[in-house]
Amino acid sequence: AQSVSQHNHHVILSEAASLELGCNYSYGGTVNLFWYVQYPGQHLQLLLKYFSGDPLVKGIKGFEAEFIKSKFSFNLRKPSVQWSDTAEYFCAVKGPETSYDKVIFGPGTSLSVIP
Amino acid sequence: NAGVTQTPKFQVLKTGQSMTLQCAQDMNHEYMSWYRQDPGMGLRLIHYSVGAGITDQGEVPNGYNVSRSTTEDFPLRLLSAAPSQTSVYFCASSYTQGAYGYTFGSGTRLTVV
Repeated sequence: AQSVSQHNHHVILSEAASLELGCNYSYGGTVNLFWYVQYPGQHLQLLLKYFSGDPLVKGIKGFEAEFIKSKFSFNLRKPSVQWSDTAEYFCAVKGPETSYDKVIFGPGTSLSVIP
Repeated sequence: NAGVTQTPKFQVLKTGQSMTLQCAQDMNHEYMSWYRQDPGMGLRLIHYSVGAGITDQGEVPNGYNVSRSTTEDFPLRLLSAAPSQTSVYFCASSYTQGAYGYTFGSGTRLTVV
């Protein structure tokens, strides 16, 4: 079965520290990859997405992610986090084996940024 | 342009009661989905629809019904609420099979006692 894993359940960083959140998926073949962010008490918002082409994808708020096909990974990065980045981050994958609108989400990583 | 609108935002049900969670979108999206979010489990797909009149089951469909009579609306019905259905429910819509990312509603926090 297709699955998405995220390396860390909870990450705590100080402001200005660099961030990298890991995401791995189990599909083969062509995939669409996403990172969503959920700020406390809010709904999920799309941070960035990868379809094809340049494996380094830039999103909103200074986030970027790198698709490494050989490692089935799509890690999220930010050079310098801010307190306002405190949120839950979800990796999601849509692969060719899924029909219609089935996008599989990872379990999420909770990020806490300490001022 | 309201996006995806969910109502109610909060609901408390007694075991065995039924209710309908409403979801409406004004973006003319063909594809709509319902997810439930539980701590440590991410989002799990309940039901989805690829267009008016077409629905299908997701990962955790038991205890839920959906219908899609119009492009705009995709209500989720709980037939006989159980404590295991205590969760946060999100409706999402997209243009083409979710490939360009979803637009999510603000969620419904449901507690079944």
